[in-house]
Amino acid sequence: QKEVEQDPGPLSVPEGAIVSLNCTYSNSAFQYFMWYRQYSRKGPELLMYTYSSGNKEDGRFTAQVDKSSKYISLFIRDSQPSDSATYLCAVDSNYQLIWGAGTKLIIKP
Amino acid sequence: NAGVTQTPKFQVLKTGQSMTLQCAQDMNHEYMSWYRQDPGMGLRLIHYSVGAGITDQGEVPNGYNVSRSTTEDFPLRLLSAAPSQTSVYFCASSYLGQGAGETQYFGPGTRLLVL
Repeated sequence: QKEVEQDPGPLSVPEGAIVSLNCTYSNSAFQYFMWYRQYSRKGPELLMYTYSSGNKEDGRFTAQVDKSSKYISLFIRDSQPSDSATYLCAVDSNYQLIWGAGTKLIIKP
Repeated sequence: NAGVTQTPKFQVLKTGQSMTLQCAQDMNHEYMSWYRQDPGMGLRLIHYSVGAGITDQGEVPNGYNVSRSTTEDFPLRLLSAAPSQTSVYFCASSYLGQGAGETQYFGPGTRLLVL
């Protein structure tokens, strides 16, 4: 079993839809949870991070962590074609990042 | 600031050839790392460095060497290329390391094809 599981997609939704991207993890010791966005043929860039449980909001993006079920989510409201990218979740374990496989998101105009 | 730069952008090698992937950063970061990214596998750590003169192995180090003679540069050497090393390689840097929510800054990547 991988320490972080993420559906690779692709996930295709119409413009304006609410998008939900998810990861599950296995180790309850993880404390930091991150979402990176990677455009095609580019390097990943940090989108948001959350410490421990709870929600964090930044504009149209909301990161959510449920430590009781070991589940992390990224919600995108009013999705735009420019949101089309691969979204990678990452968790922190003993000062080493563990990455999900990434979900490819396609927003159709 | 240029951030993290990588050269070349694309390379084709024959099995058994060697090459060096270059990585440089101008943010005065102590921590640098190399990842490979394969479909369905996510990012896998190859080698990392916590400062000049200090390197260590990551998850998939076999077939790769690194050195860190300066804070700015962190080259990755493929000793004898194999088709299994066909991948996209990313260099990343951060102030102190991984974890604790620290942002990793990635370069644009090098796409390597080994025939």
